[in-house]
Amino acid sequence: DQQVKQNSPSLSVQEGRISILNCDYTNSMFDYFLWYKKYPAEGPTFLISISSIKDKNEDGRFTVFLNKSAKHLSLHIVPSQPGDSAVYFCAASSLNSGNTPLVFGKGTRLSVIA
Amino acid sequence: GAGVSQTPSNKVTEKGKYVELRCDPISGHTALYWYRQSLGQGPEFLIYFQGTGAADDSGLPNDRFFAVRPEGSVSTLKIQRTERGDSAVYLCASSSETEAFFGQGTRLTVV
Repeated sequence: DQQVKQNSPSLSVQEGRISILNCDYTNSMFDYFLWYKKYPAEGPTFLISISSIKDKNEDGRFTVFLNKSAKHLSLHIVPSQPGDSAVYFCAASSLNSGNTPLVFGKGTRLSVIA
Repeated sequence: GAGVSQTPSNKVTEKGKYVELRCDPISGHTALYWYRQSLGQGPEFLIYFQGTGAADDSGLPNDRFFAVRPEGSVSTLKIQRTERGDSAVYLCASSSETEAFFGQGTRLTVV
């Protein structure tokens, strides 16, 4: 059973518009959430994170929203740029349980069209 | 080096052979993780080291897979009697407190 789910395998967005990537989780023990970005032939790179004590974290064009009651988080990229085209992975862990390994979703491939 | 380094970047091996994949973590990071990523999937957890000891090896698929980290720095993932289903990208990550930094991965192809 998948504990972290990214139900959209792909997303296409026009340059300058907002990209919204969604992620759902089932394990209520998760208290720390991260987004990673992956280009072909490279390892995932950390993008942004959020602790369960917050509902929003913003870093430049990237904002992550967390809805704990719905066990849902989303990554907003605005404005989207062609260089944002990559696979985005949502990941979760339980820091309060002793820094458990990250559990990843299957990823969403974002294509930003110029 | 500044980042996590994995060698080799690509490995092609025949079914039944033994392979070793190496990971050099970021200096000073005590936590080290191995993940496996198959096509169209997210990284799948294999094993986690805290220092020299395996804190969690629950993700290793079977006893053909083994990993060591004898001095608490470099780690080696060892796969015995490789099977075609072992073909994947094997990712290593090291961690400070809350953020894991990944290497570029080793693409293993078993033919």
